[in-house]
Amino acid sequence: GDSVTQMEGPVTLSEEAFLTINCTYTATGYPSLFWYVQYPGEGLQLLLKATKADDKGSNKGFEATYRKETTSFHLEKGSVQVSDSAVYFCALSANSGGSNYKLTFGKGTLLTVNP
Amino acid sequence: EAGVAQSPRYKIIEKRQSVAFWCNPISGHATLYWYQQILGQGPKLLIQFQNNGVVDDSQLPKDRFSAERLKGVDSTLKIQPAKLEDSAVYLCASSSGTISYEQYFGPGTRLTVT
Repeated sequence: GDSVTQMEGPVTLSEEAFLTINCTYTATGYPSLFWYVQYPGEGLQLLLKATKADDKGSNKGFEATYRKETTSFHLEKGSVQVSDSAVYFCALSANSGGSNYKLTFGKGTLLTVNP
Repeated sequence: EAGVAQSPRYKIIEKRQSVAFWCNPISGHATLYWYQQILGQGPKLLIQFQNNGVVDDSQLPKDRFSAERLKGVDSTLKIQPAKLEDSAVYLCASSSGTISYEQYFGPGTRLTVT
């Protein structure tokens, strides 16, 4: 079945440091890939997405590139801020029959950014 | 635009008791999802509705969990009887179609079973 494996946390960085959170996936067919973010006390929010190989998703300074050859979708940010502290989830969407698309999530990575 | 609403936000019950969660999706969203998020894990889809019909309930433990969306708007998820392993955050999400990356999540209900 489909699965997502992401870097285990927690990750602790100082403000303005470079961030990478690794994500790899296993899926049949050609999934779409996503990063969701969950700020403390809030629901999940879509951070960025890529729907085909070599696409780059970007939002709020975060980027991730869909790499089909390595089945990866690593999240990066050049300079993190305290406000980026949250849990980050990598996810994939694959067709599970007919027009039904099913999201499969990784376990999440807790990021803490210190001033 | 109002987001996905869920209640209650927190619930503590004893094992073998029953509990119900409520979700009101974004207005006009035809598709509604319930997820279970156990501590340290990513959300797992329990059930997906398209209007008031079930699209996918393959991971719903049907011996104890039930869900309904009678008028194609709000939805309830029930657990009866609860077990210790049901302790989790229950997330509701909605989308305007069947393409799952358009999902919008509510804040969740944190259930503790003692």
